[in-house]
Amino acid sequence: EPEVTQTPSHQVTQMGQEVILRCVPISNHLYFYWYRQILGQKVEFLVSFYNNEISEKSEIFDDQFSVERPDGSNFTLKIRSTKLEDSAMYFCASRGPTSGSSYEQYFGPGTRLTVT
Amino acid sequence: AQSVAQPEDQVNVAEGNPLTVKCTYSVSGNPYLFWYVQYPNRGLQFLLKYITGDNLVKGSYGFEAEFNKSQTSFHLKKPSALVSDSALYFCAVREAAGNKLTFGGGTRVLVKP
Repeated sequence: EPEVTQTPSHQVTQMGQEVILRCVPISNHLYFYWYRQILGQKVEFLVSFYNNEISEKSEIFDDQFSVERPDGSNFTLKIRSTKLEDSAMYFCASRGPTSGSSYEQYFGPGTRLTVT
Repeated sequence: AQSVAQPEDQVNVAEGNPLTVKCTYSVSGNPYLFWYVQYPNRGLQFLLKYITGDNLVKGSYGFEAEFNKSQTSFHLKKPSALVSDSALYFCAVREAAGNKLTFGGGTRVLVKP
């Protein structure tokens, strides 16, 4: 069964450093998302991406964040200058075409980002 | 703005007994509703969804959920719980015209043998 994959599973970085979190969505999916979950808190939407551009972003997704689909398979989240409060589990998700049973988003296993 | 409430942080149930996990939502327009389950060190796994039609929807692993528009609820149910159902369950909502999912805080289910 196709699944969303994410690398690395755990990333430790120092405050102020840049990090890139990588995701490989399900191959025929068209919509891509990043969410994060700070320990003990809700899963929060960060950004959605469709047709090579951001379709929606939350207030969390400020200028420090960017997303990219550099090739036909990868979807990345970059944090330019990490802060302590960026420590969280980051989930990538993808969704298929609008027709058929493609309403649900499929999530990867997450990348735990620890900023020290 | 859309929101989801899961009023119980934890639900304890004996194996073989029925399991219910509560969820209420708030959204403008028609809601798309989802349940996800998270096992330790794993991602969010899709269980079931309500988009339109029959208010009772069936999903994976014997789970079902009932959409109640008047009570704005979408409770998850399983007639006979298994120890392996012990996990963290998340309810989520999306506006029909929208894109993003808004999640509840999660309910931890503990099924005791």
